[in-house]
Amino acid sequence: GQQLNQSPQSMFIQEGEDVSMNCTSSSIFNTWLWYKQDPGEGPVLLIALYKAGELTSNGRLTAQFGITRKDSFLNISASIPSDVGIYFCAGVYNQGGKLIFGQGTELSVKP
Amino acid sequence: DAGVTQSPTHLIKTRGQQVTLRCSPKSGHDTVSWYQQALGQGPQFIFQYYEEEERQRGNFPDRFSGHQFPNYSSELNVNALLLGDSALYLCASSLGSGDEAFFGQGTRLTVV
Repeated sequence: GQQLNQSPQSMFIQEGEDVSMNCTSSSIFNTWLWYKQDPGEGPVLLIALYKAGELTSNGRLTAQFGITRKDSFLNISASIPSDVGIYFCAGVYNQGGKLIFGQGTELSVKP
Repeated sequence: DAGVTQSPTHLIKTRGQQVTLRCSPKSGHDTVSWYQQALGQGPQFIFQYYEEEERQRGNFPDRFSGHQFPNYSSELNVNALLLGDSALYLCASSLGSGDEAFFGQGTRLTVV
């Protein structure tokens, strides 16, 4: 079945540093989504990508849909303490269909 | 604009019991999906409802069933609970064939 490999599993960074995480798959996807989840809460949608090669920004966040349609990455610039949380990538193959999630990247930011 | 709301937020059940979880989608959304998230894992797709019918189903046993009402709200039912059913159950809503899914805060189910 379809699986997503997300890396790294965890990151410990200093406030102000830039962060990069990625997601790879053995299967192609037609949509990539990036979510952030705080403890005890549901995932919050950060960025949606719909075309291979697409680069999209949302404030300090930038994400790209890989050319092969099998990968995506998320960058966070100038990290701040409220960036702490777990970041998930999710791929969609069939329009409007199920989301396949990665295992998550846990981000810790040291003030 | 109300987001996705789920109830209850926490629940403790005994093995063998049955449970019903509820979800109201984001205003304007007509599609509801349910996910199970075990501790330390990403959410796993259970099923999706659209126009009151199950449109897609993940690899979950028949003990997991659902329903969607005319007002687009949805219920997730789990019968014969097992200890391994303990997890955060997430409801997500979307619009028709759209891919952007918006999640509720989840229901934390503990089976003892």
